Amino acid sequence: AQSVTQLGSHVSVSEGALVLLRCNYSSSVPPYLFWYVQYPNQGLQLLLKYTTGATLVKGINGFEAEFKKSETSFHLTKPSAHMSDAAEYFCAVMGYSSASKIIFGSGTRLSIRP
Amino acid sequence: KAGVTQTPRYLIKTRGQQVTLSCSPISGHRSVSWYQQTPGQGLQFLFEYFSETQRNKGNFPGRFSGRQFSNSRSEMNVSTLELGDSALYLCASSLEVSQLTDTQYFGPGTRLTVL
Repeated sequence: AQSVTQLGSHVSVSEGALVLLRCNYSSSVPPYLFWYVQYPNQGLQLLLKYTTGATLVKGINGFEAEFKKSETSFHLTKPSAHMSDAAEYFCAVMGYSSASKIIFGSGTRLSIRP
Repeated sequence: KAGVTQTPRYLIKTRGQQVTLSCSPISGHRSVSWYQQTPGQGLQFLFEYFSETQRNKGNFPGRFSGRQFSNSRSEMNVSTLELGDSALYLCASSLEVSQLTDTQYFGPGTRLTVL
């Protein structure tokens, strides 16, 4: 069975500081991994996804994530936080099978301090 | 190109009633997925439809059902509503069936409150 754990339900950083949102997964096979962002009163938006190939994945809005199989992690980073990055972020995992269902983490709320 | 639209945006029902939510995908998209978001259970996959066929289903009771029409619009129905069904219901569309290879675009959701 697959699962995903997001460490820290709330992360607060200063504007201009590094953003690091942690995600660890559990899967019996190499999974597909996703990061989504949800702004208040809106649906989800895909930031980036890892399927195969390069383990460092670049996404929209300056975010990137690195797939580390040995650590079963897929942490999301951004070098310099912007006020507009304040939102909820969800890590998700999915298997290769067509019958596989996407499983989301519990989310991390990112706050940006001026 | 218009995004995914969901109607209604807000809905209040009482226990025991049934409700139908509607989702219109982005033009040209053939796959529609539904998700439930609650503070307690988080985001959970409900089901996915492609070309009017249910391709995948999450672990929800039979009270939750859906369908897709020939124009790719989708509806989901919840019968015999329970308090725990109060949630934000999100719809997402994509060009093809696979969430793995194709980006999903989400609508703003329908917030259902069950009293």
